[in-house]
Amino acid sequence: NAGVTQTPKFRILKIGQSMTLQCTQDMNHNYMYWYRQDPGMGLKLIYYSVGAGITDKGEVPNGYNVSRSTTEDFPLRLELAAPSQTSVYFCASIEPDVTLNTEAFFGQGTRLTVV
Amino acid sequence: LAKTTQPISMDSYEGQEVNITCSHNNIATNDYITWYQQFPSQGPRFIIQGYKTKVTNEVASLFIPADRKSSTLSLPRVSLSDTAVYYCLVGTSGGSYIPTFGRGTSLIVHP
Repeated sequence: NAGVTQTPKFRILKIGQSMTLQCTQDMNHNYMYWYRQDPGMGLKLIYYSVGAGITDKGEVPNGYNVSRSTTEDFPLRLELAAPSQTSVYFCASIEPDVTLNTEAFFGQGTRLTVV
Repeated sequence: LAKTTQPISMDSYEGQEVNITCSHNNIATNDYITWYQQFPSQGPRFIIQGYKTKVTNEVASLFIPADRKSSTLSLPRVSLSDTAVYYCLVGTSGGSYIPTFGRGTSLIVHP
């Protein structure tokens, strides 16, 4: 299993440009999450999904959109990039089960710079 | 989700045991306690999870007192490679589980 795969690893955007951060997991997990992490800070939740076709906002959703058409993929869309969106973005997945497992698996991150 | 409080930073030396304590006064009956480790430029990695008493795996031990209002992550004989940020989370996988991360504890291990 590859686990959670994020692409690209690095990207530089100009203000006003758009891009999609890709996230794919091969563990058949229903729950998926997008976080951003600014320097020296913890992870802030942008959006999450509890299954295909279901998404919901997290703590900092403004400026982002998501979709979840399949169990495997959970892309994050930036429509009009702003310098405030310069950050490292992490995708994660989990499959809560009858054992109350709370182990989340994270991708390696996408480092985005908006200039 | 129950809010957690942990020290911002800690320093240690190679070979020492490190204990990082996390406070979670409002933990709910069904909540589990989970710890993650994050190296620079990497995503967080699961270390250990527990509900009560003591849990041990090949990486760490987790001590949880009877009232469950706090927990302590114990790293035996740390090395330089244990330098990382450690996060304490509480929550239950029932319903919509959302791992919520605070600022974590930045552990620096010195030679």
